[in-house]
Amino acid sequence: GNSVTQMEGPVTLSEEAFLTINCTYTATGYPSLFWYVQYPGEGLQLLLKATKADDKGSNKGFEATYRKETTSFHLEKGSVQVSDSAVYFCALRPSGNTGKLIFGQGTTLQVKP
Amino acid sequence: DTEVTQTPKHLVMGMTNKKSLKCEQHMGHRAMYWYKQKAKKPPELMFVYSYEKLSINESVPSRFSPECPNSSLLNLHLHALQPEDSALYLCASSPGLAGGYEQYFGPGTRLTVT
Repeated sequence: GNSVTQMEGPVTLSEEAFLTINCTYTATGYPSLFWYVQYPGEGLQLLLKATKADDKGSNKGFEATYRKETTSFHLEKGSVQVSDSAVYFCALRPSGNTGKLIFGQGTTLQVKP
Repeated sequence: DTEVTQTPKHLVMGMTNKKSLKCEQHMGHRAMYWYKQKAKKPPELMFVYSYEKLSINESVPSRFSPECPNSSLLNLHLHALQPEDSALYLCASSPGLAGGYEQYFGPGTRLTVT
């Protein structure tokens, strides 16, 4: 079946530190991969996406590369800010027309000044 | 414009009440979704509509009744809910059901059942 596994949180970093949030997946076929961010009290915002192997998604200093050989889509940012504190969800959409979005459990990031 | 709007923002209802949640998008998307999210958990898919027809019902209890009156609007009618139904209800839309399309989420309705 399809599933997404994220590193457990919370992740606590100082401002300007380097961020990595690990995400691995299990899927048949060729899924598309996404990172969403949820700020406190808000809905989910699409952060970035990749639709095929070796694609790199990037947005607002965040980036992630679709690695089919390691079935991974790790999120990275070179220098985090306090405003990046949020919950980050890795997700996959299976190939085909199911419309389903499979989420990981989410990773809470806390950035301290 | 990549906005999905949801009303109301907050809703408190008793177990005997009937209420409705509303979701709207004007991006021309043909697929719309309802999710339920409990605290510190990922969203759980409830319903999927494609071209105004129900495509997926994830075995949701009948006290939740979705409706898609037109391609821009999605409602969720609530009746005889239980306290465990208290959650954040998120609406989303996408251009279609194909795997490459991202879903755009609204801000959610925070529902409390008393």
